[in-house]
Amino acid sequence: AQKVTQAQTEISVVEKEDVTLDCVYETRDTTYYLFWYKQPPSGELVFLIRRNSFDEQNEISGRYSWNFQKSTSSFNFTITASQVVDSAVYFCALSEVRSQGNLIFGKGTKLSVKP
Amino acid sequence: DGGITQSPKYLFRKEGQNVTLSCEQNLNHDAMYWYRQDPGQGLRLIYYSQIVNDFQKGDIAEGYSVSREKKESFPLTVTSAQKNPTAFYLCASSRTGGPRLEAFFGQGTRLTVV
Repeated sequence: AQKVTQAQTEISVVEKEDVTLDCVYETRDTTYYLFWYKQPPSGELVFLIRRNSFDEQNEISGRYSWNFQKSTSSFNFTITASQVVDSAVYFCALSEVRSQGNLIFGKGTKLSVKP
Repeated sequence: DGGITQSPKYLFRKEGQNVTLSCEQNLNHDAMYWYRQDPGQGLRLIYYSQIVNDFQKGDIAEGYSVSREKKESFPLTVTSAQKNPTAFYLCASSRTGGPRLEAFFGQGTRLTVV
C-alpha cells in the first residue's frame, strides 16, 4: 500500500517563529521519490523539493530545510523565521518507480503565519 | 512564458450536463495529469497520459473522460455519470512519465454543480 500522512491539518504561527511540517510515508519499494509542494491561495501547486530514497542528506535552501529519515519513513519540512508570505497549504507527495510519475499526495497542512 | 494554462478558472454546471475542462501546456512535456482536490483532502489522480494518443485511468476515473490528440493539450470531460463533480481540478505536466521528475501545475478550475 502507498500512503502519505500529514498529521497536522492546520498550523498557526506568528511571524519569525520556526515551524516544522511533518510527513510520514509508507511504501514497499526500495526506490522512490519524495516531494514537497506549496499551494498558495491562487491555487497552483509550486514545486519545492525532490528527494530520492538513496539520498538521506538533509537539505537547506534559504529559510527552508528538509529532514529525510528513512529509518522513521519521514520527510519533514522546516521553515525558519516564518513570514506572512509562507501562508499556504503544503503537500508532501510520494512517487514510486513503477508509478510512472503519478504522485500520491498527503492531505496537506494549512500554514497560517500571522504578522 | 512557458507554463500550463487551465480554463476556465470557474465553471458552473447544471446537473445532468457534461462539461469539458481545458488544459494546455507549452513546456514540450510528454506526460500530463489530471488531479481532483476536495476541501481538506490531498490531490487524487483522475487520468494521466505519458504520450500522445495514449492515456490511463488513475484512482478515481469513474465519471470522467480524457483525450490526448496533441502533445500540448489534455482536456478533461466531467460527465453526468460523475455523482459528485463539485471540486477543484488541477492539471499537471512533467517532461517524461518517470517517477523522479517534478510536475508543473496549472492554476486549476473550480467546478460547481448548480
